[in-house]
Amino acid sequence: DARVTQTPRHKVTEMGQEVTMRCQPILGHNTVFWYRQTMMQGLELLAYFRNRAPLDDSGMPKDRFSAEMPDATLATLKIQPSEPRDSAVYFCASGPGQGGPKAFFGQGTRLTVV
Amino acid sequence: DQQVKQNSPSLSVQEGRISILNCDYTNSMFDYFLWYKKYPAEGPTFLISISSIKDKNEDGRFTVFLNKSAKHLSLHIVPSQPGDSAVYFCAASVQGGSEKLVFGKGTKLTVNP
Repeated sequence: DARVTQTPRHKVTEMGQEVTMRCQPILGHNTVFWYRQTMMQGLELLAYFRNRAPLDDSGMPKDRFSAEMPDATLATLKIQPSEPRDSAVYFCASGPGQGGPKAFFGQGTRLTVV
Repeated sequence: DQQVKQNSPSLSVQEGRISILNCDYTNSMFDYFLWYKKYPAEGPTFLISISSIKDKNEDGRFTVFLNKSAKHLSLHIVPSQPGDSAVYFCAASVQGGSEKLVFGKGTKLTVNP
């Protein structure tokens, strides 16, 4: 059963600490997305990769957020330093890149910054 | 500036009746639309999609209608079941473009037994 795997599922951290969220996309998918869900903004796109290359990170606060794909099986989203306003659920999604836009989501990482 | 809008944060219907969820978009470049369903503590799951060359797509109890001139789409669920209670997200994309999906803020559907 192919699925997107995200770790950790929950993270509580203190303001100023570094947070790293990890994602294993579905094998064979060549597009990876990071979304953030908040009550106010809904699902907002933070970053988007195709074949491991970043294509769009315009939704990401550049001063504290960074997204990378060290290899085809791992995507990371880092926040340094974290702030209380970063508290949200972060979703990773992957897509086949063909046959129409479609994204398959992981279960998310619920981040709480205190 | 929200390009995809779901103006109803919530909707409540009785089991067996029709649920209609609405979505409006502003970007005329969008030509592919999707609905996702999300249960608490889970990621969104794909439900149904429609290309702009069609005005209707049906999959079992779920039908999506697209009105391009009005830049409006709707999701119909008939008959509604308690298990359909979830948050429904409308999303749009430019097919052949970057594949990225732009989401609305979601509508929470509650189906009462």
